[in-house]
Amino acid sequence: DAGVIQSPRHEVTEMGQEVTLRCKPISGHNSLFWYRQTMMRGLELLIYFNNNVPIDDSGMPEDRFSAKMPNASFSTLKIQPSEPRDSAVYFCASSWAGGSSYEQYFGPGTRLTVT
Amino acid sequence: DAKTTQPPSMDCAEGRAANLPCNHSTISGNEYVYWYRQIHSQGPQYIIHGLKNNETNEMASLIITEDRKSSTLILPHATLRDTAVYYCIVRVANGNTGKLIFGQGTTLQVKP
Repeated sequence: DAGVIQSPRHEVTEMGQEVTLRCKPISGHNSLFWYRQTMMRGLELLIYFNNNVPIDDSGMPEDRFSAKMPNASFSTLKIQPSEPRDSAVYFCASSWAGGSSYEQYFGPGTRLTVT
Repeated sequence: DAKTTQPPSMDCAEGRAANLPCNHSTISGNEYVYWYRQIHSQGPQYIIHGLKNNETNEMASLIITEDRKSSTLILPHATLRDTAVYYCIVRVANGNTGKLIFGQGTTLQVKP
């Protein structure tokens, strides 16, 4: 398996623009997670889905952020409008929530810079 | 989920065992201890997890004290590629509570 795939790997945009980050989870996994990492705040969980349904979005910072999972093999995280403080590395992770392990497999991340 | 406490940084000589401690004094009976690591510029990587018995896999060993209030991750023969931030996380292993709450972790520097 190719692992969790994220695109783009790097994104540079201007303040006010819309940004869409994409994630393809590992085939067969039924849980998907979006995290954000900054030097100041560390690694934060933004939202996670179970069987394509959002379970907990309490980490989503504000209404400018939205996430969707239209099917089991694709998810997006959208920021509209973007602000400089949104600059961070965004990670997507997936897992199989059915066994006893619940290991999460992380993608390589998308480095977002908002100028 | 219970909170964990880890030292912010540690050094280890290449080839020697790295022992990374974690305190989780408020852990509940149904909470597991998980370890992940994050090598610079990469996504976190699962290492190992356990409930109350000691565990070993190809990457590391996990030693959990009898009262389960602390644990130690052991990398038996550390290499330079083991330099990373190591996160100790306590969570309930339940189908609908997949959250991982990452703390600041321990930055392990393996030196030649």
